Amino acid sequence: DQQVKQNSPSLSVQEGRISILNCDYTNSMFDYFLWYKKYPAEGPTFLISISSIKDKNEDGRFTVFLNKSAKHLSLHIVPSQPGDSAVYFCAVRSNAGGTSYGKLTFGQGTILTVHP
Amino acid sequence: KAGVTQTPRYLIKTRGQQVTLSCSPISGHRSVSWYQQTPGQGLQFLFEYFSETQRNKGNFPGRFSGRQFSNSRSEMNVSTLELGDSALYLCASSRGRPESDTQYFGPGTRLTVL
Repeated sequence: DQQVKQNSPSLSVQEGRISILNCDYTNSMFDYFLWYKKYPAEGPTFLISISSIKDKNEDGRFTVFLNKSAKHLSLHIVPSQPGDSAVYFCAVRSNAGGTSYGKLTFGQGTILTVHP
Repeated sequence: KAGVTQTPRYLIKTRGQQVTLSCSPISGHRSVSWYQQTPGQGLQFLFEYFSETQRNKGNFPGRFSGRQFSNSRSEMNVSTLELGDSALYLCASSRGRPESDTQYFGPGTRLTVL
C-alpha cells in the first residue's frame, strides 16, 4: 500500500527552463510535506517544506505547491541548472494520534537531469 | 553548526554477524530517526527516538533495534545479519516538535552483507 507516489521515475529538462516534480498522497492525515534532493551514496539534503495550512511556499528558485483536495504536491525549480541534476524525493509526515512526528514516508523518487 | 554525523561510513559483514551503527545529531536536536534505503524498497522508516525513548517504529523485524543516549546520540543494531540487510542506513535528526519539524539527514552508513 503505497501512501506516497512519485509517478515519474525520471524528468529531463533544458537548462534555464522550469522543472516540475510531482507527488501524490493518499492519507488526509498527512500534515507536513517536504522535498529532499539526493545524490547516490549520500544522505538526502533538505530543500523546502510546506505545512498543511498553506498552499504555497517559496525559497529562491524552489517553490512547493500543495493541493489538499487533490492530495497533490509539486516542486517547481526555476530556472533549472545543471547542478540541480539529482534524485528528488517527496516526504510526508502524519500527525495522526500525535505519535508520528519522527516518521517520514517517502515517495520512490524522480531522477532529474538538467541538460546544459 | 555541525550537521548530522554517522559512523562508520562503510561496513562489510558476513551473514549471521551483528553490527552497530552510530549517529550524532545536530546540536539541540532531541529526535533521531533511522531509515533504510535499498534499490527495491526505497527509503523506509525504521524507528525514532526522542529523549531516550523509542517513540515510533516501522515494520522491521526485531533483529533491528536501537537506543538513544542522554546526549541525544543514537545507535542502531542489527543482529543475525542477512544478505537482504545490505543497504544504505540513514539517520536524521530534528527538534522533535509536534508542529512542522524538519528532519536533517546524515551521510549514511553503507552496509554490505556477504
